Amino acid sequence: SAVISQKPSRDICQRGTSLTIQCQVDSQVTMMFWYRQQPGQSLTLIATANQGSEATYESGFVIDKFPISRPNLTFSTLTVSNMSPEDSSIYLCSVEDTTSGMTDTQYFGPGTRLTVL
Amino acid sequence: TQLLEQSPQFLSIQEGENLTVYCNSSSVFSSLQWYRQEPGEGPVLLVTVVTGGEVKKLKRLTFQFGDARKDSSLHITAAQPGDTGLYLCAGGGGTYKYIFGTGTRLKVLA
Repeated sequence: SAVISQKPSRDICQRGTSLTIQCQVDSQVTMMFWYRQQPGQSLTLIATANQGSEATYESGFVIDKFPISRPNLTFSTLTVSNMSPEDSSIYLCSVEDTTSGMTDTQYFGPGTRLTVL
Repeated sequence: TQLLEQSPQFLSIQEGENLTVYCNSSSVFSSLQWYRQEPGEGPVLLVTVVTGGEVKKLKRLTFQFGDARKDSSLHITAAQPGDTGLYLCAGGGGTYKYIFGTGTRLKVLA
């Protein structure tokens, strides 16, 4: 299984500012995913980030609000831009397991808890 | 549109009791995963099921994938306080790649 770290683990930000979240994996992976988990809720996929191409965003999420970088096979960033209190959530990155032969299996980072005042 | 509905949404039981969590959809999934998430952490994979009718056991946890691959269940025998957490099912494959269920929050009281 992959070991995933995220920075920061938590942050409190002011309305109108932006925060960049980093996701580091201990092995090279093709696909990385970014999720949002609002308080008390399940996970919603924001976008899929593949190295060397533009991220693919899910319905309701746009690049201007959540720009994503994927400079190499072990790292990705998600920026939450022009934040409002409604952006207060846990943001999680995950990677797809490609070593066990089991498709559609993911490993998650510990998450970044964002509070916007 | 939420494609995976879990029930119950909340469950509080005494240590030693048995419980079943359900994950239902009108869509067919090529695979289905169950995760457990504890506060302050990301979801941790428990199991992946891929074959209709498949049953997998993980110690006191039994997972079943429906014959039509539209639903799944998680049964916990003799629940312990360490089982407390948010249980999430997730469907994979095709258009519905990585859709998470609504979640079941379990609390096991000592």
